[in-house]
Amino acid sequence: DARVTQTPRHKVTEMGQEVTMRCQPILGHNTVFWYRQTMMQGLELLAYFRNRAPLDDSGMPKDRFSAEMPDATLATLKIQPSEPRDSAVYFCASGLMNTGELFFGEGSRLTVL
Amino acid sequence: AQKVTQAQTEISVVEKEDVTLDCVYETRDTTYYLFWYKQPPSGELVFLIRRNSFDEQNEISGRYSWNFQKSTSSFNFTITASQVVDSAVYFCALSEAAGTSYDKVIFGPGTSLSVIP
Repeated sequence: DARVTQTPRHKVTEMGQEVTMRCQPILGHNTVFWYRQTMMQGLELLAYFRNRAPLDDSGMPKDRFSAEMPDATLATLKIQPSEPRDSAVYFCASGLMNTGELFFGEGSRLTVL
Repeated sequence: AQKVTQAQTEISVVEKEDVTLDCVYETRDTTYYLFWYKQPPSGELVFLIRRNSFDEQNEISGRYSWNFQKSTSSFNFTITASQVVDSAVYFCALSEAAGTSYDKVIFGPGTSLSVIP
């Protein structure tokens, strides 16, 4: 059963530390999305890739966030330096853009103290 | 710019009641796609349905049905004879077309549904 895999599932860190979240999309999917979920803001789109190329990262704070797809099996979201307001659940989703259905990972719950 | 509004923040119903979740969207495109996703307490989002802007036929899948009305820019979701397992947060989402593909998928704020036994 193909699934999107995210690591770590939980991360507690201190303000100022670097955080890297990883996502393994479903094999064959050509689109990867990063979303952030908080109670206040709901599901915010941070960035997305098609065929590994970044298409839109306008939802991401550029000064501290970066997203990459070094290869088709790995997407990364990095926060440096982290701040308490970054505390959220970060979801990765992959899909085929001719169908539109997104498959979500279980999320990475980040707590920045 | 695209936008999705779900005015109902929280809904509580008693088991076996019918419930309708509202979704209103905004887009300047004539070609777009609408979705519903479910997020149960476990946290993972699950795809429920996709509808394109050219297909206004209502759809029924078991106890679930969807009503798409372009005239009012709405894509409402009805659960018939609700069950406790339906308790979840439901998200409506919109994607504008990018050629023959979907573009970025924007989610509404979600409606939290509680079904009380």
